[in-house]
Amino acid sequence: GENVEQHPSTLSVQEGDSAVIKCTYSDSASNYFPWYKQELGKRPQLIIDIRSNVGEKKDQRIAVTLNKTAKHFSLHITETQPEDSAVYFCAATSGGGADGLTFGKGTHLIIQP
Amino acid sequence: KAGVTQTPRYLIKTRGQQVTLSCSPISGHRSVSWYQQTPGQGLQFLFEYFSETQRNKGNFPGRFSGRQFSNSRSEMNVSTLELGDSALYLCASSSGMDNEQFFGPGTRLTVL
Repeated sequence: GENVEQHPSTLSVQEGDSAVIKCTYSDSASNYFPWYKQELGKRPQLIIDIRSNVGEKKDQRIAVTLNKTAKHFSLHITETQPEDSAVYFCAATSGGGADGLTFGKGTHLIIQP
Repeated sequence: KAGVTQTPRYLIKTRGQQVTLSCSPISGHRSVSWYQQTPGQGLQFLFEYFSETQRNKGNFPGRFSGRQFSNSRSEMNVSTLELGDSALYLCASSSGMDNEQFFGPGTRLTVL
């Protein structure tokens, strides 16, 4: 089955700086890679996703890149703000919706004022 | 559109009991997936239902089961509860035709 590794487990950055979280996956059949943000006591929230036919996707301050050859994908957050503090999870899956998401262990992002 | 709802939000049970959790997906969505979230194991896939049929399941014992009704609402059942079943149980709603999944608020289960 799929295995997703996520690094780092904790990331502390100064407000206004950029943050990068990296994930690798094992199953070459995986074709959908979402990122979720989970604040303390709340549900995971889908913030951005990318499919295997695309190399990069941006949404305002957030971007995701995918390297299918190396089987890794990354989340980039620019101009970080205090409200970006949360746990971020990457995930991967194949199939058209029937397969479950395989998640990384999460990255605790801390924005220092 | 209303979001994904789960009931109850909190549950306390004792070992050996059984529990049933409920999830109502986003209107129009026909797929419901269930996940277990724990500090040690993270988020793990339990199973997925689409149009009342289980299409896929994760690596959990048979004590974990589920079903889906014709209105797409889903329930999951855990029998013979163990201490290790204490977790946040999340359901995710999807159209079933693509992979985008939207999570409910979860049910926090504590087994004593």
